[in-house]
Amino acid sequence: DTGVSQDPRHKITKRGQNVTFRCDPISEHNRLYWYRQTLGQGPEFLTYFQNEAQLEKSRLLSDRFSAERPKGSFSTLEIQRTEQGDSAMYLCASRPQSLWNTGELFFGEGSRLTVL
Amino acid sequence: DAKTTQPNSMESNEEEPVHLPCNHSTISGTDYIHWYRQLPSQGPEYVIHGLTSNVNNRMASLAIAEDRKSSTLILHRATLRDAAVYYCILRALNSGGSNYKLTFGKGTLLTVNP
Repeated sequence: DTGVSQDPRHKITKRGQNVTFRCDPISEHNRLYWYRQTLGQGPEFLTYFQNEAQLEKSRLLSDRFSAERPKGSFSTLEIQRTEQGDSAMYLCASRPQSLWNTGELFFGEGSRLTVL
Repeated sequence: DAKTTQPNSMESNEEEPVHLPCNHSTISGTDYIHWYRQLPSQGPEYVIHGLTSNVNNRMASLAIAEDRKSSTLILHRATLRDAAVYYCILRALNSGGSNYKLTFGKGTLLTVNP
């Protein structure tokens, strides 16, 4: 499968615990995005990387959240001291940097977090 | 950011055409119109996009009003697999990666009846 891969698909944790999600983008896609989706809502932008550089962060990304993409390939999203309000689907997406505007952002299937 | 307005839900019968409307009255001249859909328990999937002219691809057609203040996604023959939430999104034209911090609304939940 050459699509965007996310792991784990499901995570149940207790409030106060730390969790980490991993995203493997499509090979050679140098742009990587994280979104969060709560029940009944559309996805909301969190942050994006171009290669290993984190170029933009949403105000939604509180200081308990940190995202990295150390080698410009896979990315991790860590949430420290989880709260019940962090329960959501965390979506990763990627696209190539290209002069041709194909318009497409490729999403993974998401990692669903439940905080008890 | 320019906003879009879509009906909360629509219903269709299998093998019939579906027209999903989207209003975007504050669209700027350099905003692309994108459509994504999200099947249950999956990430969003790109459907189609356009700027001014109508567009066709293997999944759907996009009809853009002459004044660009509205558009319609057309599924020519709905199947049960087309049941999903459909999002209409405006994306600013620029060469940077930040123009893909897409702003999703709640979209339109399409139900397809057998």
